[in-house]
Amino acid sequence: DIQMTQSPSSLSASVGDRVTITCQASQDISNYLNWYQQKPGKAPKLLIYDASNLETGVPSRFSGSGSGTDFTFTISSLQPEDIATYYCQQSIFTFGPGTKVDIK
Amino acid sequence: EVQLVESGGGLVQPGGSLRLSCAASGFTVSSNYMSWVRQAPGKGLEWVSVIYSGGSTYYADSVKGRFTISRDNSKNTLYLQMNSLRAEDTAVYYCARDKVGATVYWGQGTLVTVSS
Repeated sequence: DIQMTQSPSSLSASVGDRVTITCQASQDISNYLNWYQQKPGKAPKLLIYDASNLETGVPSRFSGSGSGTDFTFTISSLQPEDIATYYCQQSIFTFGPGTKVDIK
Repeated sequence: EVQLVESGGGLVQPGGSLRLSCAASGFTVSSNYMSWVRQAPGKGLEWVSVIYSGGSTYYADSVKGRFTISRDNSKNTLYLQMNSLRAEDTAVYYCARDKVGATVYWGQGTLVTVSS
């Protein structure tokens, strides 16, 4: 089975900061990598699919890159409403452990 | 508008069974990949099972042999039959519709608590 890891597990940044989260797959998954945002008590929301494609309606400050086993998720300018936990996912299957993002 | 509404959660004793339902509207369940994803209290997301439009089914190792995913095309509803439940199955269970290789649409979730 493919395992997903994420780092860091949590981070604290200031409004306007650039935030980067990494995700690593235990084997080559091509570009079958998605990113989700989850706020407390809510269902996850898809932000990025196929590693770098922005889901419709998602702000352009969110972006993704990578292929194979190493992927990166970036928020170009952190906003207060971005406080959430972010998960990577291999295709429609295994999720990473999540990265909790807070405001400093 | 796509809507997914889960039901059937509740309190069940260890070793017991429960069937979750997910009523869909705005699209046809049988024409889509449909998944169940769960989240234990304070923990991360865990993929549980998927049923493909062609009917093939797949399960996480943690539930294989105990859970069964199915659908009723006439009711446009997805199900998750959960048997031999354990304390570690306690979680919010989300029904979801997959699209473009991602889990795009999610229900609101239903809480399953396994406890004596």
